[in-house]
Amino acid sequence: DQQVKQNSPSLSVQEGRISILNCDYTNSMFDYFLWYKKYPAEGPTFLISISSIKDKNEDGRFTVFLNKSAKHLSLHIVPSQPGDSAVYFCAASASNTGKLIFGQGTTLQVKP
Amino acid sequence: DAGITQSPRHKVTETGTPVTLRCHQTENHRYMYWYRQDPGHGLRLIHYSYGVKDTDKGEVSDGYSVSRSKTEDFLLTLESATSSQTSVYFCAISEWTSGTPYEQYFGPGTRLTVT
Repeated sequence: DQQVKQNSPSLSVQEGRISILNCDYTNSMFDYFLWYKKYPAEGPTFLISISSIKDKNEDGRFTVFLNKSAKHLSLHIVPSQPGDSAVYFCAASASNTGKLIFGQGTTLQVKP
Repeated sequence: DAGITQSPRHKVTETGTPVTLRCHQTENHRYMYWYRQDPGHGLRLIHYSYGVKDTDKGEVSDGYSVSRSKTEDFLLTLESATSSQTSVYFCAISEWTSGTPYEQYFGPGTRLTVT
């Protein structure tokens, strides 16, 4: 039973355009959401997060949107750059646990 | 970068042999985690530790055991390796406190191949 789902295994966008990565979750107890980026042969690195009391969090070119009623979050990257090409994982947690549940990942390719 | 190292970084072993992977941190974080990454599955939690000698199972713990005798070290043991345990293994650390948001920081990974 996949509690966090990234239904698009891959995404390709042109440099300078917007990249939108999507994530759906099923557990209503989740109250904190994170995005990680992973390059080949490296560990995942934290990118941005959002608490369930917010619906948007922005950090430079990266913005995460949370729609609690739809149990959906998305990561927007504007403008996309070739260095953004990586695998992106969304993750969720409930604040009464110390554990994260990860989605399957989406491979983003940004073409020059 | 968080001070997390994993050893070995690569290992090839035969079916039926025991294997131990090591995670070492210099951040003095309370929580440590072991994940495996497989295509189509993302990152799945194997075991985690919330203090010295305090560990608990994750979602894919069968065939694995862990030990934490010091704050800085978290060991993952495959008691009798099988081909299905061929994977990339990541260690992570965090300073989670109940009710607060937190991030986990990951090590560089260990690629394990069981032949």
